[in-house]
Amino acid sequence: SAVISQKPSRDICQRGTSLTIQCQVDSQVTMMFWYRQQPGQSLTLIATANQGSEATYESGFVIDKFPISRPNLTFSTLTVSNMSPEDSSIYLCSVELSFTEAFFGQGTRLTVV
Amino acid sequence: DAKTTQPTSMDCAEGRAANLPCNHSTISGNEYVYWYRQIHSQGPQYIIHGLKNNETNEMASLIITEDRKSSTLILPHATLRDTAVYYCIVRAKIQGAQKLVFGQGTRLTINP
Repeated sequence: SAVISQKPSRDICQRGTSLTIQCQVDSQVTMMFWYRQQPGQSLTLIATANQGSEATYESGFVIDKFPISRPNLTFSTLTVSNMSPEDSSIYLCSVELSFTEAFFGQGTRLTVV
Repeated sequence: DAKTTQPTSMDCAEGRAANLPCNHSTISGNEYVYWYRQIHSQGPQYIIHGLKNNETNEMASLIITEDRKSSTLILPHATLRDTAVYYCIVRAKIQGAQKLVFGQGTRLTINP
């Protein structure tokens, strides 16, 4: 199994500012995934972060808005840049150790005011 | 990845079996059926997965029809802690980690 720690667990931010979310895993993993869950909605993949290469973004998400770092095999950050109220969501990171089961962090609940 | 269809919501009495259906009529031969659940304010949790045979673990049973176009997740003795959104996901199981494509899921409410 994998234990994923996300920081912060929640934050309230002013519009126009940026927030960096950290994701720490207790195992070395090649890929880490970042998801967004808007209020009352399902999860949507933002990007896949591979160690040693640029993140791969899904349609509708761009690097300028959601820059991702992946400095090593156990850590990643997602930055939500130039925030607006529409960015208020839960942001989750995820890893998959085997080909069977994905593990998720508890999420970062972001409110933009 | 094949698309799935699930009821928006379901209710079940505590102690009874909860049967959650999922339609995946466009599933391909190499695609598995996965189930995850998300309890309020938590990250999703893996429950079970299968290809074509029925599967059972400590959490649930998964029944897949012979044509693989639908499946049912069974929680044999539902408790209040099973109240959650349940996601049925279909995807191939290949080398390397893969993303999960979440639908809207079924909001299961277990009533006392």
